[in-house]
Amino acid sequence: DGGITQSPKYLFRKEGQNVTLSCEQNLNHDAMYWYRQDPGQGLRLIYYSQIVNDFQKGDIAEGYSVSREKKESFPLTVTSAQKNPTAFYLCASSKSVPGGSTDTQYFGPGTRLTVL
Amino acid sequence: EDQVTQSPEALRLQEGESSSLNCSYTVSGLRGLFWYRQDPGKGPEFLFTLYSAGEEKEKERLKATLTKKESFLHITAPKPEDSATYLCAVKETSGSRLTFGEGTQLTVNP
Repeated sequence: DGGITQSPKYLFRKEGQNVTLSCEQNLNHDAMYWYRQDPGQGLRLIYYSQIVNDFQKGDIAEGYSVSREKKESFPLTVTSAQKNPTAFYLCASSKSVPGGSTDTQYFGPGTRLTVL
Repeated sequence: EDQVTQSPEALRLQEGESSSLNCSYTVSGLRGLFWYRQDPGKGPEFLFTLYSAGEEKEKERLKATLTKKESFLHITAPKPEDSATYLCAVKETSGSRLTFGEGTQLTVNP
């Protein structure tokens, strides 16, 4: 079964700690994305990657870091510099199409991060 | 800057009571408009992509339509299991990024 997996489903962090959220896909998609969702708000883009070993900042990258060492994996680290990290984090992936654009994005089940 | 506005923010319907959700957008050049359904605590589920004005797509009780400024998601004879938040997003011709609206929370009462 092809799809996107995120782990853990729930994550609790103490202030001052870094935490890493996992995202894996077996859809053979080139592009991967991280979004943050807060109650009553739309999805906001944190980082995205269109190819291995390359990634770009989204609209709210401060306090976050990513890596893309493998096509299947795009982990997100929430650092202690992120002032308000409690949120629902969503990973997505899509195929690339000729011309540099990408196809429909498909989402994982999400990770809910809570700072204690 | 791309903008997406969804209305209403919340909608309550009785089972069988048809209605429409609206997604208004501003984008320099539209590559695609996307509708997703999101259940509480879960990731968005892809529903439709619309590419050009006049295009329509249907799936079960849902039909999405597109004009040059907005899209509608029509729900015909909804059932309680259609209760969810419906998200709209747009993609520019030159980009790979999506811009999302804030969603419409739909509740269908039996």
